[in-house]
Amino acid sequence: QLQLQESGPGLVKPSETLSLTCTVSGGSISSSSYYWGWIRQPPGKGLEWIGSIYYSGSTYYNPSLKSRVTISVDTSKNQFSLKLSSVTAADTAVYYCARHEIGWFDPWGQGTLVTVSS
Amino acid sequence: DIQMTQSPSSLSASVGDRVTITCRASQAISNYLAWFQQKPGKAPESLIYAASSLQSGVPSKFSGSGSGTDFTLTISSLQPEDFATYYCQQSYSIPYTFGQGTKLENK
Repeated sequence: QLQLQESGPGLVKPSETLSLTCTVSGGSISSSSYYWGWIRQPPGKGLEWIGSIYYSGSTYYNPSLKSRVTISVDTSKNQFSLKLSSVTAADTAVYYCARHEIGWFDPWGQGTLVTVSS
Repeated sequence: DIQMTQSPSSLSASVGDRVTITCRASQAISNYLAWFQQKPGKAPESLIYAASSLQSGVPSKFSGSGSGTDFTLTISSLQPEDFATYYCQQSYSIPYTFGQGTKLENK
């Protein structure tokens, strides 16, 4: 059974870079059928897609975040990562990683709360 | 961006009821529509993809329909575990966007 697990600091200072990693188990991140994505959810609010990556390294991002986002993949570790630069309080959210095919997100990781505060 | 609008934003129902949630896209998205269920403190779980295809392992009491701009999620015979927040999401074009959510509460 495929499982995804997010990891990274739970607290980031304003103007710094948020870095998270998603570790995939129970399957290969190099599967040709799937993309791997990041989605976030501010406390008490809705869901926002951040961006996605293919195992080859091909990426696509939400234009609203594109200037600050970098998603990368490490197939040797079965992981993919998110970097979000110049964070502000508005970036405080639960960050989820998920597998997707044609934009159908399933399964999701359990999520990790990242708070931006000094 | 394609805007996804769900109605109602909240819904009060009882165990055994049949409920329907609507999702409207700001432009035609064919059948590129998914539905998710989210319980407090948990990650969203996929229910429906391609507007009407049931995700593996999801009970058949959940059903989806629609195409173009108007879509529905129907839950037949509500059970206590079904009270949650439901989201629709389009994957027709980038950026993928979600509805604002419909909170289903126990009356």
